[in-house]
Amino acid sequence: QVQLQESGPGLVKPSQTLSLICTVSGGSISSGSYYWSWIRQPAGKGLEWVGRIYTAGTTSYNPSLKSRVTVSLDTSKNQFSLKLSSVTAADTAVYYCSRDVQLTYGNSPSPFNWGQGTLVTVSS
Amino acid sequence: AIQMTQSPSSLSASVGDRVTITCRASQGIRNDLDWYQHKPGQAPKLLIFAASNLPRGVPSRFSGSGSGTDFTLTINGLQPEDFATYYCLQDYNFGRGTKLEIK
Repeated sequence: QVQLQESGPGLVKPSQTLSLICTVSGGSISSGSYYWSWIRQPAGKGLEWVGRIYTAGTTSYNPSLKSRVTVSLDTSKNQFSLKLSSVTAADTAVYYCSRDVQLTYGNSPSPFNWGQGTLVTVSS
Repeated sequence: AIQMTQSPSSLSASVGDRVTITCRASQGIRNDLDWYQHKPGQAPKLLIFAASNLPRGVPSRFSGSGSGTDFTLTINGLQPEDFATYYCLQDYNFGRGTKLEIK
């Protein structure tokens, strides 16, 4: 069974770049027709989708974050990563990584397997 | 961009009750809608995909319906472990969530 684990700094200074890694075990990140996503939840608020990368490398991002977000794959390490630039306090959140599966032909992929989440605080 | 309007934002109910949560899309989305359950300190869990389909292992007291713009999540016979926050999701658009609390 595939498992995902987020890792990265828990504290990032304002204006810097937030960098997180999701390590995937129990399955290859480069095989199958999967999407790999980042989703976040600011304290006291709802879930917000950040961005996604397909196994073949195609990316899509939340339009509200698009200018600051990069999601990439590292197949040699079976990991994918998130970089969010020019962060502010509004980017403080629990960040989740997920493996998304297209469960129905023609529909959007559904986040199906999730990591436990990691809290990132933006503060000086 | 498609907007997902979820209601209510919070709901109080008792064990055994039947509850309904709705999600409305700003434009037609066929059946392209999922429902998630989220408990504090845990990862969200997929409850319903393609509006009305249950993944393996999800109890049958959960059901989903709808197509086009209006969708519903129903829980029949609330159990103590069902008290959580529920979200609808269409592609990359989450609803604002419904916090289900014990009355």
